[in-house]
Amino acid sequence: GAVVSQHPSWVICKSGTSVKIECRSLDFQATTMFWYRQFPKQSLMLMATSNEGSKATYEQGVEKDKFLINHASLTLSTLTVTSAHPEDSSFYICSATPAEGLYGSYEQYFGPGTRLTVT
Amino acid sequence: GQQVMQIPQYQHVQEGEDFTTYCNSSTTLSNIQWYKQRPGGHPVFLIQLVKSGEVKKQKRLTFQFGEAKKNSSLHITATQTTDVGTYFCAGVDGSGNTGKLIFGQGTTLQVKP
Repeated sequence: GAVVSQHPSWVICKSGTSVKIECRSLDFQATTMFWYRQFPKQSLMLMATSNEGSKATYEQGVEKDKFLINHASLTLSTLTVTSAHPEDSSFYICSATPAEGLYGSYEQYFGPGTRLTVT
Repeated sequence: GQQVMQIPQYQHVQEGEDFTTYCNSSTTLSNIQWYKQRPGGHPVFLIQLVKSGEVKKQKRLTFQFGEAKKNSSLHITATQTTDVGTYFCAGVDGSGNTGKLIFGQGTTLQVKP
């Protein structure tokens, strides 16, 4: 159990276009979903925390108008990279926390990630 | 802001040798979690430690949470090539209730057969 899917797994887009990434919890309801960015050989950088039905909370330095997050249901969150530029190229990973944590609280289950390349 | 430091950044060991990675937080943690990320993959949850001084084992892996709940370690006994990957600790801030994780930089383990 506790499977998170992410779509697409990779995408190449032209500079100036927008890209939407979907994150779904397949077999559990996720009260909270998180979006991370990971550069090669580096750690995960939290971008935003997304709660179903409310506005996302963005980390300092993350542009909310550039990285639009929508969490429409307990199983789906989307991240839209607007007006993408080459510096937005990265590995974007979502995670979800079950409403009833298997270990009591807060363990996160990660999607397989989306590799975005902006040309 | 809260920081979680992890050392070493890289570790190369001969198969059969032991391996340890250490994690230190600038603030007291509510709990600490450990994740493993294989090359090209995504982080996979390994374990969560909640209690001060807690020690948990998973086969050859031993996880410890410090008495002050500010540091943790992961020890692998007799490494195998399947242990290759990057191990991340991630702390949940003790003062908040958001479930937000602060990840350490990770320790990348290479195992020579």
